[in-house]
Amino acid sequence: QSALTQPASVSGSPGQSITISCTGTSSDVGGYNYVSWYQQHPGKAPKLMIYEVSNRPSGVSNRFSGSKSGNTASLTISGLQAEDEADYYCSSYTSSSTHVFGTGTKVTVL
Amino acid sequence: QVQLQESGPGLVKPSQTLSLTCTVSGGSISSGSYYWSWIRQPAGKGLEWIGRIYTSGSTNYNPSLKSRVTISVDTSKNQFSLKLSSVTAADTAVYYCARVGLVWSFDYWGQGTLVTVSS
Repeated sequence: QSALTQPASVSGSPGQSITISCTGTSSDVGGYNYVSWYQQHPGKAPKLMIYEVSNRPSGVSNRFSGSKSGNTASLTISGLQAEDEADYYCSSYTSSSTHVFGTGTKVTVL
Repeated sequence: QVQLQESGPGLVKPSQTLSLTCTVSGGSISSGSYYWSWIRQPAGKGLEWIGRIYTSGSTNYNPSLKSRVTISVDTSKNQFSLKLSSVTAADTAVYYCARVGLVWSFDYWGQGTLVTVSS
């Protein structure tokens, strides 16, 4: 199975909004609403930010939102803050009953 | 609050078998309809899903690793384990254990443990 495709890097100024894309196929992202997003700070374990395309776990800021269109899912961070600087990964359940992660995106707050 | 903790050797020789255990606390590994998973991350690289297990023992593996991976569960100890055989330097990574939530997301993670494959 191939990794989902994400941009290597995205940057924005404090207060701005940024969007990270996650492109897969009809066998993963496009076939299921089981897309999740993870934030990972250096040296730390990933943290679940979005599940089932657009749902936020308790405690996650509402500045984080998710959506999906066809084979591409997206994570939007609004009101960008310094603490949002991290790596972000998408993940999807697949038609083979496996999981696949995205290639990862480094978010830089300018 | 569910907590996961990986344990095992930090150094494994090439061609040998990597063995790690994940201990779950704050709840029974058997409660709820959860799967339990292993994920790894080479230094400076992305996340790679290795496989998952249900408390019944049912497993699913990453096709690229399937021939070398075995995941097992010990409900009496509230633990699940990973064995990866015939390791090479390419298997050097931080290994995470995680709980698979009700909608196929990884909602709880261990802190990760670095395993280096070297002679």
